[in-house]
Amino acid sequence: DADVTQTPRNRITKTGKRIMLECSQTKGHDRMYWYRQDPGLGLQLIYYSFDVKDINKGEISDGYSVSRQAQAKFSLSLESAIPNQTALYFCATSDRSRTDTQYFGPGTRLTVL
Amino acid sequence: GNSVTQMEGPVTLSEEAFLTINCTYTATGYPSLFWYVQYPGEGLQLLLKATKADDKGSNKGFEATYRKETTSFHLEKGSVQVSDSAVYFCALSGFSGNQFYFGTGTSLTVIP
Repeated sequence: DADVTQTPRNRITKTGKRIMLECSQTKGHDRMYWYRQDPGLGLQLIYYSFDVKDINKGEISDGYSVSRQAQAKFSLSLESAIPNQTALYFCATSDRSRTDTQYFGPGTRLTVL
Repeated sequence: GNSVTQMEGPVTLSEEAFLTINCTYTATGYPSLFWYVQYPGEGLQLLLKATKADDKGSNKGFEATYRKETTSFHLEKGSVQVSDSAVYFCALSGFSGNQFYFGTGTSLTVIP
């Protein structure tokens, strides 16, 4: 089984809808991250969390919110989706004792019409 | 600020050709440097890393050397295979929040 899982893998929605993307991990890591990937732009950090009570904004947090429900779960929400949020979204984890490596989930492809 | 610039693609090579993907960085302090690989339909996987100047990271025949004097971390492989076809990302980290800064990715296609 994969160590970092994301659901759904694909989602098509309409402008103005609320969307939640979920990430779960079995690696026992305390740190979790959400990125978006756009063609030609690489990956950009949206939010990151050091533990359940420590959540921080990344480079592009506007229009997004997150929830760290447990050490193993980190959800990303789009409160009112807009077309320029169409992208590939990745969750990643790292361990505080080995912060130099991040482990990525398979990604969620989101399309906002 | 912190940033990574990598060679634009796409890159197409014949099997057994030599590969170089250039990566340069801008950073304050002394970052760790990484190459990640993304196979079609999958997330990013760590390919190799180097944590200090002059370190060489290597894995699966790929190599990259941390060059502080030229702020570079170029990826090389002596003989590519079809199975190496993927998107390669250069990245740096080592800052507050363990933030990673990724390059834009270089798509590699290896043809038989």
